[in-house]
Amino acid sequence: AQSVAQPEDQVNVAEGNPLTVKCTYSVSGNPYLFWYVQYPNRGLQFLLKYITGDNLVKGSYGFEAEFNKSQTSFHLKKPSALVSDSALYFCAVRDTLTGGGNKLTFGTGTQLKVEL
Amino acid sequence: DGGITQSPKYLFRKEGQNVTLSCEQNLNHDAMYWYRQDPGQGLRLIYYSQIVNDFQKGDIAEGYSVSREKKESFPLTVTSAQKNPTAFYLCASTPAPRHRGDGYTFGSGTRLTVV
Repeated sequence: AQSVAQPEDQVNVAEGNPLTVKCTYSVSGNPYLFWYVQYPNRGLQFLLKYITGDNLVKGSYGFEAEFNKSQTSFHLKKPSALVSDSALYFCAVRDTLTGGGNKLTFGTGTQLKVEL
Repeated sequence: DGGITQSPKYLFRKEGQNVTLSCEQNLNHDAMYWYRQDPGQGLRLIYYSQIVNDFQKGDIAEGYSVSREKKESFPLTVTSAQKNPTAFYLCASTPAPRHRGDGYTFGSGTRLTVV
């Protein structure tokens, strides 16, 4: 079975400061990992993904994420937060060994609030 | 531009009524999914379909039904058996299931409210 946890319901950060949104996962094989962002009353937008290779993945809007196999984590980071980054962020995982419809499993989401 | 279109954006349902949410994609994706989103609960899978004329129940299928008669379309019906249907509904698609490194493309959602 595959699962993902986002331990923080909300993260608050001041504009210009670095931000981190945490994600840990559990899979039987190797993971495919994804980050999505959601603005109010909108669908989810893809930010970045890890499939294989370099553990540091760069994505849209200056976001990056670091894959850490020993800690089973895939934390989302940005060096300097903007007020416009305020949104709901979802981590998702797919196990390379799982059958069953190519489904992603999503975390419960982390609300990021960036304040002036 | 290719994408997923969900309609309507807002939908109001009376008690005891069935309503159908539309999801259309022009991405030539094989697999399509319906999720329900409630505050603090993340995304919960209702139904998914990997191929035309085939679909499977997700984690919370009770009170919902779907069809997949065309590759482009995956409508969701919320029946009167669904006791708490007020939620935000999201449709998503992905290329052929064998492409496990692909993520989902999401529609913009339908907000259903029981009145």
